[in-house]
Amino acid sequence: GAGVSQSPSNKVTEKGKDVELRCDPISGHTALYWYRQSLGQGLEFLIYFQGNSAPDKSGLPSDRFSAERTGGSVSTLTIQRTQQEDSAVYLCASSLVQVGMNTEAFFGQGTRLTVV
Amino acid sequence: AQKITQTQPGMFVQEKEAVTLDCTYDTSDPSYGLFWYKQPSSGEMIFLIYQGSYDQQNATEGRYSLNFQKARKSANLVISASQLGDSAMYFCAMRGRDSNYQLIWGAGTKLIIKP
Repeated sequence: GAGVSQSPSNKVTEKGKDVELRCDPISGHTALYWYRQSLGQGLEFLIYFQGNSAPDKSGLPSDRFSAERTGGSVSTLTIQRTQQEDSAVYLCASSLVQVGMNTEAFFGQGTRLTVV
Repeated sequence: AQKITQTQPGMFVQEKEAVTLDCTYDTSDPSYGLFWYKQPSSGEMIFLIYQGSYDQQNATEGRYSLNFQKARKSANLVISASQLGDSAMYFCAMRGRDSNYQLIWGAGTKLIIKP
């Protein structure tokens, strides 16, 4: 596709339910990032995939959060037993990684998660 | 560890004035890149400008320029002739080889342009 695609764009779920958020990066981009953003706040790093390296999971807030990236392309962020504090916009970004580093990250439109 | 600091949580600027958004960084990486993004109220993240650590000249993109002072580890964004549409959150970010090209983000500055 032309850009980073995230689905769903909006998700309302009941407390305690599991949710899956999907990110389709730009084809060929080896780096994929997940962030969480609460209203009016900055980007909270969640997880980073880069090529064949082990993912950097240091930002995942609890063991209820997990993510995978299949075949170096599509990524799924899973939140188990959702809590109200999980309500936020979840942003995915992808980028090429090359020695010159002048390759910006492209962001999806985000998934707005509301836990009720 | 790498770190980005944006010390201005919010700024008000009169339309048509120039505005400088501060960004300082901390890294031991000899090679790194610096990025600025804009996030309007619609929520999309828009890439504005890039500066490489070895670039000799300050980056410019239209009304945006980056005041890069390597010795001071600062990469301030300058917006000339501000417009109402410039009202948004602005984020500074850094990527370095030693961090496996992970993007490190500042907390952001909320810029409001007054008519």
